[in-house]
Amino acid sequence: AQSVTQLGSHVSVSEGALVLLRCNYSSSVPPYLFWYVQYPNQGLQLLLKYTSAATLVKGINGFEAEFKKSETSFHLTKPSAHMSDAAEYFCAVSDRVQGAQKLVFGQGTRLTINP
Amino acid sequence: DGGITQSPKYLFRKEGQNVTLSCEQNLNHDAMYWYRQDPGQGLRLIYYSQIVNDFQKGDIAEGYSVSREKKESFPLTVTSAQKNPTAFYLCASRLGGGANQPQHFGDGTRLSIL
Repeated sequence: AQSVTQLGSHVSVSEGALVLLRCNYSSSVPPYLFWYVQYPNQGLQLLLKYTSAATLVKGINGFEAEFKKSETSFHLTKPSAHMSDAAEYFCAVSDRVQGAQKLVFGQGTRLTINP
Repeated sequence: DGGITQSPKYLFRKEGQNVTLSCEQNLNHDAMYWYRQDPGQGLRLIYYSQIVNDFQKGDIAEGYSVSREKKESFPLTVTSAQKNPTAFYLCASRLGGGANQPQHFGDGTRLSIL
């Protein structure tokens, strides 16, 4: 079965600084990977997805992620943090179980932006 | 606009009571999912359905029930057998086909015990 590990349940950066949120996956097959963002009391919004077309994936709100097979990683980055980026971020891998497609989520990383 | 609508946004349950959370989508998606979210535990899958009139248990189905009588609707009932129902519940849907299709989420229902 596939699994995802997000390193760091809380990350704090200053406004304008680099954002780096870490995600490592375990998969026996080439994975499909996703990053979602969740603002307080809202659902999850898709930031970007990796589907093997390109290793560097650009998403919404200036975020991007790089797929590194040798490191089994899919870290999320943004060059310059904005106050509006404060939210919880989830990495997920697509898994097929008994013919059904499911997402396996990491535990989430809460990003705080300091003014 | 196409999307997923969850209602109500807040719900309170009394001891011994069953409550039903609504999830409706107009995206023409085939698959629908229910998740439970607790602080620090990420999302856990309760039930999922790939087609109408068919659904499967997820990782934490005990104390919950669902139905899928229409493609656009996937209501979740939290029964009195669920002893710790306080959580944030998220419904999602997904277009059928390949594994590269993402899930799309509603805005959630927060359930609390009176």
